[in-house]
Amino acid sequence: KNQVEQSPQSLIILEGKNCTLQCNYTVSPFSNLRWYKQDTGRGPVSLTIMTFSENTKSNGRYTATLDADTKQSSLHITASQLSDSASYICVVSARTGGSYIPTFGRGTSLIVHP
Amino acid sequence: SAVISQKPSRDICQRGTSLTIQCQVDSQVTMMFWYRQQPGQSLTLIATANQGSEATYESGFVIDKFPISRPNLTFSTLTVSNMSPEDSSIYLCSVGKGASYEQYFGPGTRLTVT
Repeated sequence: KNQVEQSPQSLIILEGKNCTLQCNYTVSPFSNLRWYKQDTGRGPVSLTIMTFSENTKSNGRYTATLDADTKQSSLHITASQLSDSASYICVVSARTGGSYIPTFGRGTSLIVHP
Repeated sequence: SAVISQKPSRDICQRGTSLTIQCQVDSQVTMMFWYRQQPGQSLTLIATANQGSEATYESGFVIDKFPISRPNLTFSTLTVSNMSPEDSSIYLCSVGKGASYEQYFGPGTRLTVT
C-alpha cells in the first residue's frame, strides 16, 4: 500500500530561524514528489515538484531535497517569516498507465512566532 | 497554471439537508477531482469528475451520498446529500495539468453540519 509519512506533526519556531520538514514514502512506481503549502482556510498551493532524477529544487526561501534511494524528502525553510505559518503537505504520485495516482501526507503544521 | 474558484467558501447546514458546491476553472481540463479534508487529516479523494460520463468514486464514497455533475470542461459540482455532523469537513476541487501533471487546488469549501 502506498504511504506518505511526514514529521514532525507540528513545529513551532521563532521568526528568522530555519527549519526542516521530513517526508518518507513508500509509493510505487514513483513518478514525482511535490510539497504544498496550505494556509488556514485555503487550498494547497504548490511549492516544488521533483521527479526521480532531481535531488534538489528551490523556490525562494524553500528548498526541497529528494533521495529516491532511501525514499526520503525534506523541505528546508530559510529565515522563516510569520507568513510561513501554515500546513506543509508532501504528495507523492505513482504513475500507472496514463494516470497519476497521488498519495497525500497528513502534513506538518508550522507556527512561526515573532 | 490553473485558477480555480469554489462556491460557497463556507456554510453551516442542518442535519438532513443537502449542499451543492460549485467548482469553476479558468481553462479547459480533462479531469477534475473532489477531495475531502477532515480536521488534522490528509486529503482524501472522493471522486474523479469526468466530462460526459459518470464520476468515478473511490472506495467508501457513493454516488447517492456525493452526486457529481460535470457539464463541461471548466465546471463541476459536488453535492453532499442528507448531511450529518460527520460530513463536517473542507471540500476541495482540484485539476491536473501539464506534462508533469501539476495539480492545482481550489480554495476549498468549509462545511459545518449541526
